[in-house]
Amino acid sequence: NAGVIQTPRHKVTGKGQEATLWCEPISGHSAVFWYRQTIVQGLEFLTYFRNQAPIDDSGMPKERFSAQMPNQSHSTLKIQSTQPQDSAVYLCASSLGPFMDQDTQYFGPGTRLLVL
Amino acid sequence: AQSVTQPDARVTVSEGASLQLRCKYSYSGTPYLFWYVQYQRQGLQLLLKYYSGDPVVQGVNGFEAEFSKSDSSFHLRKASVHWSDSAVYFCAASMGFASALTFGSGTKVIVLP
Repeated sequence: NAGVIQTPRHKVTGKGQEATLWCEPISGHSAVFWYRQTIVQGLEFLTYFRNQAPIDDSGMPKERFSAQMPNQSHSTLKIQSTQPQDSAVYLCASSLGPFMDQDTQYFGPGTRLLVL
Repeated sequence: AQSVTQPDARVTVSEGASLQLRCKYSYSGTPYLFWYVQYQRQGLQLLLKYYSGDPVVQGVNGFEAEFSKSDSSFHLRKASVHWSDSAVYFCAASMGFASALTFGSGTKVIVLP
């Protein structure tokens, strides 16, 4: 079991460019979560998919951020027109299912995004 | 608003000594509670979780946590720390299975030889 895979591990973009982050959940897991980690704000929830359907995007910034899960094996987080304040570590997590003892979230190593 | 508070940003402890990390939650109901650990430049790893029942839960690597409804707390303990326990520890809460986690700000633990 390779765990949750996130690519790239590091990404540097210029201000105004687009950044796409990829997440491959653990095989067989039905839920995918995205979080953002910064020194100032700490760990913040962004969005959540279950069986590829968006369930909760209450943490997503209303502009420039979007997430998709086109199939069971990957999810993407896209940031348009990146700004320096988007610099953060973006963490993806997956869980087996929505019931007790299935809901443990397993985290990937994160993508460190730096916007210059 | 729902929140999780870890009042100690940094804790320094000698190897072999005991450790307690504090966590308080503020929720309208009783949330599910978790402790995660993050080693240098790695992802978060689950130490233990609490849903209901016995207020003392055992986790991996000798960690345990105690839930207190009256105090709205979920403190983490370890009887004897090892240098490898140096990491950042996060308390988290959710209001349902497979729901978004709300994290505390984390406590950095430094274990001195």
